[in-house]
Amino acid sequence: EVQLLESGGGLVKPGGSLRLSCAASGFPFDNYAMSWVRQAPGKGLESVATILRGVDSTFYADSVKGRFTISRDNSEDTLYLQMNSLRADDTAIYYCAKGLNYYDFWPHDFWGQGTLVTVSS
Amino acid sequence: DIQMTQSPSILTASVGDRVTITCRASQSVGTWLAWYQHKPGKAPKVLIYKASDLDSAVPSRFTGTGSGTEFTLTINSLQPDDFATYYCQQYNHYSTFGQGTRVEMK
Repeated sequence: EVQLLESGGGLVKPGGSLRLSCAASGFPFDNYAMSWVRQAPGKGLESVATILRGVDSTFYADSVKGRFTISRDNSEDTLYLQMNSLRADDTAIYYCAKGLNYYDFWPHDFWGQGTLVTVSS
Repeated sequence: DIQMTQSPSILTASVGDRVTITCRASQSVGTWLAWYQHKPGKAPKVLIYKASDLDSAVPSRFTGTGSGTEFTLTINSLQPDDFATYYCQQYNHYSTFGQGTRVEMK
């Protein structure tokens, strides 16, 4: 059974940093692209970052480029999102999501339950 | 960036109705288009990918059509479990979601 378990969310002050983790199980992690998708309160879904099967190919939303870094440890089946220079508009539930198959990086066929990040003074 | 615009934003319907949601892209995305269902407190669920391919275990009352810049999601004979928010997602150029369509009970 595919499972994605996010952790690391919490309350942080503007300008602060946070690192999210997503522990994956139930599938060959290194065969799939992985993504972070967020939902701000009362808003829709927003793709934040994607990392392909290898660790070197990444994509970012313009809103987080230069502040967030997606990475993965294929030996530990874990996805990360390092978030720096956080702003109030980064407040959201952050979901970890798996790519559809070996060749299709999107859409996402499995999602975690999400971890809440609140940026407030 | 490719912008995705869904209409309507809110749709009011009854059980048994046929409902249609439209998604328009600011430039062609081919058929690289997915649809999701999202309920409060739950993870989003993919329904359709490549514009018209139904994901496994998704009921056949869900149908996706379209290509280029205009796409539709149709739910035939709306069921109680279908009241939710629906999102389109283009993945021709990275990934962007529409703003969502909330399907509410009349």
